Amino acid sequence: KNEVEQSPQNLTAQEGEFITINCSYSVGISALHWLQQHPGGGIVSLFMLSSGKKKHGRLIATINIQEKHSSLHITASHPRDSAVYICAVRRNRDDKIIFGKGTRLHILP
Amino acid sequence: EPEVTQTPSHQVTQMGQEVILRCVPISNHLYFYWYRQILGQKVEFLVSFYNNEISEKSEIFDDQFSVERPDGSNFTLKIRSTKLEDSAMYFCASSAQDYGYTFGSGTRLTVV
Repeated sequence: KNEVEQSPQNLTAQEGEFITINCSYSVGISALHWLQQHPGGGIVSLFMLSSGKKKHGRLIATINIQEKHSSLHITASHPRDSAVYICAVRRNRDDKIIFGKGTRLHILP
Repeated sequence: EPEVTQTPSHQVTQMGQEVILRCVPISNHLYFYWYRQILGQKVEFLVSFYNNEISEKSEIFDDQFSVERPDGSNFTLKIRSTKLEDSAMYFCASSAQDYGYTFGSGTRLTVV
């Protein structure tokens, strides 16, 4: 079983829609990252969370440590938000970073 | 905003050849990492580097791989004798503390 699971795997939505991408993990963690991978392959770090909620522009990330769950929300989605969104956690027992498989988001104009 | 720079963006090499992938981390960062992503698969950790030595490496990082920080600014990943299965996107990352990362845009390595 993967230690980091993301859902959905693929998501297509219309421009303007509110988007939610979920990440569940089964291990103790010290931090959780949300990353964005562009169609060309480059990775951008969006958020690093250890508790609560963070907001940056139209992006909001939340984490519930007790439930071992995090969500990434995109408000007023735009075609340029189309990318793969990756959840990654830093595992407590050995400090290793474990990546999810990613959620492929496609926003239609 | 400071960036992690990787060169080249794409490298094609013959099987069995040595390749060196180059990264310039953010100047005040102390922790450096290499990751790879085989096409269609998830990102995998290769190695972390701190205080001029490897602090951690994965099972993937075997004797074929090595890392160096030759001059205090560059951070390189060398693959001694490339195999077809080494074809992947290789990402460098750096951080000021051991958990917040800035990623480079990656080097796509194609072994033919």
